Amino acid sequence: GNSVTQMEGPVTLSEEAFLTINCTYTATGYPSLFWYVQYPGEGLQLLLKATKADDKGSNKGFEATYRKETTSFHLEKGSVQVSDSAVYFCALSDGGSNYKLTFGKGTLLTVNP
Amino acid sequence: NAGVTQTPKFRVLKTGQSMTLLCAQDMNHEYMYWYRQDPGMGLRLIHYSVGEGTTAKGEVPDGYNVSRLKKQNFLLGLESAAPSQTSVYFCASSLDRGLYEQYFGPGTRLTVT
Repeated sequence: GNSVTQMEGPVTLSEEAFLTINCTYTATGYPSLFWYVQYPGEGLQLLLKATKADDKGSNKGFEATYRKETTSFHLEKGSVQVSDSAVYFCALSDGGSNYKLTFGKGTLLTVNP
Repeated sequence: NAGVTQTPKFRVLKTGQSMTLLCAQDMNHEYMYWYRQDPGMGLRLIHYSVGEGTTAKGEVPDGYNVSRLKKQNFLLGLESAAPSQTSVYFCASSLDRGLYEQYFGPGTRLTVT
């Protein structure tokens, strides 16, 4: 079955530091890949997505590239802010008869001023 | 445009009690989902619906029932609550499956004592 593995947290950074959160996946076929973000006390929001190999998703300074050869979708940001403190979830959908998203366990990011 | 709303936000139940969680969306989405979020487990799909009058089991359906009598509403029921059902419950909806973004509600924090 499908699975998503993301780096365990928590991750603590200083403001303006570079961020990488690793995500690798196992899936049949050609899945779509997503990063969701959950701010404290809120539901999940889509941060970015990529639907085919070599696609780069980007939003709010965050980027992730769909790498089929390494089955990876690592999240990066060049300069984090305190407001980026949240839990980040990598997820996939195979888009076929499987209607659900498969989520990683989440990575807590804390950015200190 | 409220998006996805959930009622109630918090609830404490005693073992054996029953309750219903209500999810409502105003985006005319066909697909609706119920997830539970537990520490270190990510999100796990309980039940989902691909349209009015339809429901299907997800990964962890035992102990829960659902109904989708109206397109905009998706109800999650616990007939006899157990401490293992202590969790945060999220409802989500999407226009279509797979490639389409899922929109999440703010969550319901349920404690079963």
